[in-house]
Amino acid sequence: AQSVAQPEDQVNVAEGNPLTVKCTYSVSGNPYLFWYVQYPNRGLQFLLKYITGDNLVKGSYGFEAEFNKSQTSFHLKKPSALVSDSALYFCAVRPPASGTYKYIFGTGTRLKVLA
Amino acid sequence: DAGVTQSPTHLIKTRGQQVTLRCSPKSGHDTVSWYQQALGQGPQFIFQYYEEEERQRGNFPDRFSGHQFPNYSSELNVNALLLGDSALYLCASSDGQGSPYEQYFGPGTRLTVT
Repeated sequence: AQSVAQPEDQVNVAEGNPLTVKCTYSVSGNPYLFWYVQYPNRGLQFLLKYITGDNLVKGSYGFEAEFNKSQTSFHLKKPSALVSDSALYFCAVRPPASGTYKYIFGTGTRLKVLA
Repeated sequence: DAGVTQSPTHLIKTRGQQVTLRCSPKSGHDTVSWYQQALGQGPQFIFQYYEEEERQRGNFPDRFSGHQFPNYSSELNVNALLLGDSALYLCASSDGQGSPYEQYFGPGTRLTVT
């Protein structure tokens, strides 16, 4: 079955330190990969995507993610965390099969950046 | 440029009732998807509408139905509400002609079934 795993319910990091939020997927072929962020009582905001090409993609607010095909991972990273980065982060995949349009989301990782 | 809008913001219904949620896509977008996000979970795909047709459906019962209008706005209808239907319902739009990969989400409608 196609799935996305975010193994950490919560990640705590000190302000100014690098952060990593993990994501692995189980989808055949070469999926399209995404990261979204959700603030309280808000919808999801797009951060970045991987479609093809360079394995390191850069997105909004200084975030980047690295696609690793052999490990089927797409971890979200930021070199220096801000308190304002505290939010709920979702990894999502869209299977590459023709006629498939749905996005499969992970269960989310709550990031807490401590001042 | 208006983003994705949804109405109402909150809704309280009783078991067995029916509900209609509405979504207006981002300007220039012609594709609308609906997701259900239960508390503590990631969004689950309900269905996607393109050119006024349901293009793909997730694992949701027939009680969940939808519609897309010529102006690309969309409705989600849920019949015979169950307690388990309580969730945040998210609408997402995308551009079917340009980049189909990025979905832009609305703020959601919080549905509570009592």
